[in-house]
Amino acid sequence: QVQLVQSGAEVKKPGASVKVSCKASGYTFTSYDFNWVRQATGQGLEWMGWMNPNSGQAGYAPKFQGRVTLTRDTSIRTAYMELTSLTSEDTAVYFCARNIRDTGNFDFWGQGTLVTVS
Amino acid sequence: QAVLTQPSSLSASPGASASLTCTLRSGVNVDTYRLYWFQQRPGSPPQYLLRYKSDSDWQQGSGVPSRFSGSKVTSANAGILLISGLQSEDEADYYCMIWHNSAWVFGGGTKLTVL
Repeated sequence: QVQLVQSGAEVKKPGASVKVSCKASGYTFTSYDFNWVRQATGQGLEWMGWMNPNSGQAGYAPKFQGRVTLTRDTSIRTAYMELTSLTSEDTAVYFCARNIRDTGNFDFWGQGTLVTVS
Repeated sequence: QAVLTQPSSLSASPGASASLTCTLRSGVNVDTYRLYWFQQRPGSPPQYLLRYKSDSDWQQGSGVPSRFSGSKVTSANAGILLISGLQSEDEADYYCMIWHNSAWVFGGGTKLTVL
């Protein structure tokens, strides 16, 4: 069965960076794109960017451009989201989600990773 | 003004129908977009429900009951998620999403209470 399993919670100081992983199983890793979406406590969903794990090509939301980097390691079927220059405003749960390329069918999601900046 | 606007809350009774709206900003034409809908229960990641552009271009998410359906109201420049035969398990937050200016954009979400 399809699973996306994310790394554990992180606590970071302001100004630091965080790297969250998303390990995929149960399907062909390179056949679906990855998206990263975050959600502050009690708030809505905020899309951060997408990545094609086959080519490594990525696209970012304007708000995060220059501060977020999406990468992958195909040998271990894992996608990564790195966010730099953290502030308290970045405290949120970060989700990875796969989607059928060129669609918004985010059909499987990771469990979420809480990043606390304090 | 946000690209997608959703009412913050909606209440409905069990067995009734609920119509959740997602209004696109003026100048962003609903007829040109596929609208995607997600459900999020407390403490869980979002779940994909369906997408809707027209009666000939729509898709139900895998395993999503047919009680969930999509439509549009062109005159209001809005997308609709209709949930019929409401059940207690439908109590959740619902988000709409479109691809706009090379980015995925979410609405602010509607909290649906079934009581």
